[in-house]
Amino acid sequence: DTGVSQDPRHKITKRGQNVTFRCDPISEHNRLYWYRQTLGQGPEFLTYFQNEAQLEKSRLLSDRFSAERPKGSFSTLEIQRTEQGDSAMYLCASSSNAGNVVGGYTFGSGTRLTVV
Amino acid sequence: QKEVEQDPGPLSVPEGAIVSLNCTYSNSAFQYFMWYRQYSRKGPELLMYTYSSGNKEDGRFTAQVDKSSKYISLFIRDSQPSDSATYLCAMNRQAGTALIFGKGTTLSVSS
Repeated sequence: DTGVSQDPRHKITKRGQNVTFRCDPISEHNRLYWYRQTLGQGPEFLTYFQNEAQLEKSRLLSDRFSAERPKGSFSTLEIQRTEQGDSAMYLCASSSNAGNVVGGYTFGSGTRLTVV
Repeated sequence: QKEVEQDPGPLSVPEGAIVSLNCTYSNSAFQYFMWYRQYSRKGPELLMYTYSSGNKEDGRFTAQVDKSSKYISLFIRDSQPSDSATYLCAMNRQAGTALIFGKGTTLSVSS
């Protein structure tokens, strides 16, 4: 296992189209997180899962955004009716759910979305 | 006021310098503190992880947490051009929950 994998690396879409991103976490990690990062800013939390359960959602996650982790392994993040303001890097991270997250959260390389 | 404040820089230093990076935070409930390094167009990479107050050293890197002042620092000794990156502080209240990040400080180390 080589880490957190995200697909695609880049996505260009027209305003109003739907897009879906995929994240494959480290296999032994049962927590999975989605973040969004815009230029010059730190990552902003969107949502996270423990196994297949979505435990927390940020206010940033509008009703156009939906995330799933159907079998507790990979996750998808879908954005419907994309807007130019959705242009950002979408980062996925995973961690174990040990009481102490020694080792922290491992991030993928992200999916860069450009809405034109 | 944002929960985590971090000076975005940029910070430029010569090779071999000692670098000090800092964050302040407002939520006294934060207990877990991390520093990530992010190269351009890459995901963040964990550098240091600290629970509660105190110091932690790993090679050329030292992380300090002062919970009484709500202030955390990362020191880089003998800085190298390969240290040129954006450094992000991050923290949370409870292990495994959402990390709150600072804006990141862009560091440039010249040879």
